[in-house]
Amino acid sequence: DAKTTQPNSMESNEEEPVHLPCNHSTISGTDYIHWYRQLPSQGPEYVIHGLTSNVNNRMASLAIAEDRKSSTLILHRATLRDAAVYYCILNRGSTLGRLYFGRGTQLTVWP
Amino acid sequence: NAGVMQNPRHLVRRRGQEARLRCSPMKGHSHVYWYRQLPEEGLKFMVYLQKENIIDESGMPKERFSAEFPKEGPSILRIQQVVRGDSAAYFCASSPLDRGPQETQYFGPGTRLLVL
Repeated sequence: DAKTTQPNSMESNEEEPVHLPCNHSTISGTDYIHWYRQLPSQGPEYVIHGLTSNVNNRMASLAIAEDRKSSTLILHRATLRDAAVYYCILNRGSTLGRLYFGRGTQLTVWP
Repeated sequence: NAGVMQNPRHLVRRRGQEARLRCSPMKGHSHVYWYRQLPEEGLKFMVYLQKENIIDESGMPKERFSAEFPKEGPSILRIQQVVRGDSAAYFCASSPLDRGPQETQYFGPGTRLLVL
C-alpha cells in the first residue's frame, strides 16, 4: 500500500485557516490523492481528491505540489465541527478500491 | 437519499458466540467495502464485494470471518466464535461505480462490537 506521512496532530483557532500537510514521496503517476476525515464516533467522510491540479469544493481546497510528492488540505475557516482526524490517502488502481488509512492528523479547533 | 446504513450500531457478544453485522449501501451503489478500526488505530481494509462476488478479501482474517453481498438484501459481515480481540468498530462503505482510483467511498456510521 502506498504510504503517506502526516503530522500526528495540529491545532487551530475557530475561523482561522488550517493547512494540513501530507507527504507522499513514493506516489506514482496514476495515484489519486484523497482526503477523508473522521469525526468522533462517526464513520469517515470524503473531503476531496485530486490528481495533479489544485481542487476546490464546498468543504475544502487541495493544493498539490508540482512534483506531486506532497499535498496540503486547506480549510479556509475552521469551525468547531471541523475537529476530526484527517486522513491523506493515495488511491491507486491496483488496490481495487482498497483505501489505506494511516494514523492521520488529529485536528483540534479552539473556540 | 439515505446514506449507508449499518445495523446494529452496537453489538455485545460473549466469547464463542457469532456476530452478524449488516450493511445496506446507498441506493444505486453496487460496490461494498468493509473496514475494521481497533481502538486508537486507523481503519484497516477487510474486504471488497460487488453483488454476489467477492472481489478482494486480502484484509480478511483467514479464519472465523466471512462476508457476502447477495443479489437481494444487505451485505453481511459474519464473525464466528468471537474473541475479545474482535472488539472494534466495523465500518461499511459503498460506491456507485468502479472508477478505479478516482472512486469515492461513502461510509456508514459503523457497528461497535464488544466481546465480553
